[in-house]
Amino acid sequence: DGGITQSPKYLFRKEGQNVTLSCEQNLNHDAMYWYRQDPGQGLRLIYYSQIVNDFQKGDIAEGYSVSREKKESFPLTVTSAQKNPTAFYLCASRLGTGVYEQYFGPGTRLTVT
Amino acid sequence: SQELEQSPQSLIVQEGKNLTINCTSSKTLYGLYWYKQKYGEGLIFLMMLQKGGEEKSHEKITAKLDEKKQQSSLHITASQPSHAGIYLCGAYRTMNYGGSQGNLIFGKGTKLSVKP
Repeated sequence: DGGITQSPKYLFRKEGQNVTLSCEQNLNHDAMYWYRQDPGQGLRLIYYSQIVNDFQKGDIAEGYSVSREKKESFPLTVTSAQKNPTAFYLCASRLGTGVYEQYFGPGTRLTVT
Repeated sequence: SQELEQSPQSLIVQEGKNLTINCTSSKTLYGLYWYKQKYGEGLIFLMMLQKGGEEKSHEKITAKLDEKKQQSSLHITASQPSHAGIYLCGAYRTMNYGGSQGNLIFGKGTKLSVKP
């Protein structure tokens, strides 16, 4: 079955530590996205990548970093510079950057204490 | 103000009743996406609308993009407990001239509860 996987589902970290969230897709999509979801705020775009070895900042990129070394993988690192890292993180992909169907992974809930 | 407004914010209906959720944009919509989310889970893609007047259905859920392309409605017929969840609309926002590149922005969602 084609789809997007994110791991782990729950992640706990101490303040000051960097943490990397995994996102893998086997849909052969070029474009991949990372969103953050907070209660009452909807989804906000962190980073996106239109093609391998290329990525751009979204609306709230500060304190995050990404890489896109392979078409199917788009890991997100939450660094210690991110002031409020506790959130639900969602990865998504689309065939391209035009008006295509966009699919989401199951999400990772990160808790930093 | 929010570029994409959903109404109502929450809705409680009796099983078997029909309901409508609206998504209104402050700008012309070139692509409108509807998703369903269970708490703590990912977004499930329901449908995507592009053309004004377009209407699509997914089981008992129907969505329409109005002619002026600034509003979409999601209608559920004969609601069931399985319809409960958060419904989010997403709008395609172009990043370049011609619109071949764009990202999605989202409304804050409508929480639907269905009472048996």
